[in-house]
Amino acid sequence: DGGITQSPKYLFRKEGQNVTLSCEQNLNHDAMYWYRQDPGQGLRLIYYSQIVNDFQKGDIAEGYSVSREKKESFPLTVTSAQKNPTAFYLCASSIRIGHQETQYFGPGTRLLVL
Amino acid sequence: AQSVTQLDSQVPVFEEAPVELRCNYSSSVSVYLFWYVQYPNQGLQLLLKYLSGSTLVKGINGFEAEFNKSQTSFHLRKPSVHISDTAEYFCAVSDRGSNTGKLIFGQGTTLQVKP
Repeated sequence: DGGITQSPKYLFRKEGQNVTLSCEQNLNHDAMYWYRQDPGQGLRLIYYSQIVNDFQKGDIAEGYSVSREKKESFPLTVTSAQKNPTAFYLCASSIRIGHQETQYFGPGTRLLVL
Repeated sequence: AQSVTQLDSQVPVFEEAPVELRCNYSSSVSVYLFWYVQYPNQGLQLLLKYLSGSTLVKGINGFEAEFNKSQTSFHLRKPSVHISDTAEYFCAVSDRGSNTGKLIFGQGTTLQVKP
């Protein structure tokens, strides 16, 4: 059963704590993305990676970090420097066919601050 | 740089009525265009995309969209909605000339289908 999985579905963070959100895909896609979703603001790009061991900052990378050690996995760490982490986090992956890429999304992780 | 404006934050409509969700974009380069749907507490699902060719694009669940280059619009339509179409809809663009698939999203439109 191919697809993108994200875990956990809900995550709680205490003040000063780092938390890591998991994203795994078995679609053999090259590129992976992390978005943050806040009500009324659409989706904003945090980080993306086009190949293993390489990643780029998106529009709102401050307070977040990522790694891409395996093609299938792109975990996102929300650090204590992110002062307003409460949001819905979405992971996506894509494969390039010709000049075009289409992104496919995981089910999301909701992060709440205690 | 690109930007996407979804002109309505909420669209209420009765079941079996037609609906149009409006999307305008701004870009100095040619773009690809997408519509995604999000059901509550779920990820985004691709409805349809415009890459090239015919400006009328058909997608899943009976939705279609028309690309209008002169008006820089990509409005989504369905001739008869169902209760199950209640969801949030996102319009997005990506740069045709880019070597990445980065998407720029609109703020979303909530479609509320009433019985």
